[in-house]
Amino acid sequence: NAGVTQTPKFQVLKTGQSMTLQCAQDMNHEYMSWYRQDPGMGLRLIHYSVGAGITDQGEVPNGYNVSRSTTEDFPLRLLSAAPSQTSVYFCASSYSGQADPHFGNGTRLTVT
Amino acid sequence: ILNVEQSPQSLHVQEGDSTNFTCSFPSSNFYALHWYRWETAKSPEALFVMTLNGDEKKKGRISATLNTKEGYSYLYIKGSQPEDSATYLCAFLAGAGSYQLTFGKGTKLSVIP
Repeated sequence: NAGVTQTPKFQVLKTGQSMTLQCAQDMNHEYMSWYRQDPGMGLRLIHYSVGAGITDQGEVPNGYNVSRSTTEDFPLRLLSAAPSQTSVYFCASSYSGQADPHFGNGTRLTVT
Repeated sequence: ILNVEQSPQSLHVQEGDSTNFTCSFPSSNFYALHWYRWETAKSPEALFVMTLNGDEKKKGRISATLNTKEGYSYLYIKGSQPEDSATYLCAFLAGAGSYQLTFGKGTKLSVIP
């Protein structure tokens, strides 16, 4: 029973590099979301999706792209990494936007 | 951007002490309030989802109350144990059509053996 799987667990990037953080869930959840967690800031919503083919911006979307081609996968793309994107990223899914989300184990990203 | 505040920011208690902390949220357009327990290096674990004014929920030694009219929720831990050490997050969901949980910054609890 995998739940929400995030890869990689750790990543170091140089400024300007691009990369994709992967998120997959096997619970057939419609709603998926990406958060970043910074010291003293709590969890802030980056992007979310209410179903395949539908995405929307959260509180802090700049510098990130998402797509939702399947129900299972919700990758987060950093187009040109900046040191301000150093953070821990959490993916979450739930069967609806109002239900309790299941969180992945996080990806710790450092941009130098 | 909705304002969800948690207090205190951090708390140290002795093993066996009972403790409580607060989550404040907008009192208008309320749909639900979530509480999470978050241990270092792990993902947040859901504790409660509260939707009704006056709701009280309990899970073992942890309980929570909700006042939607004044916009606050309390989380109580009875007889704190070292394994209760974690950050406790609340998250507010506004309106039935909203999909965005707004998280507070958390209360970090340390239980001293």
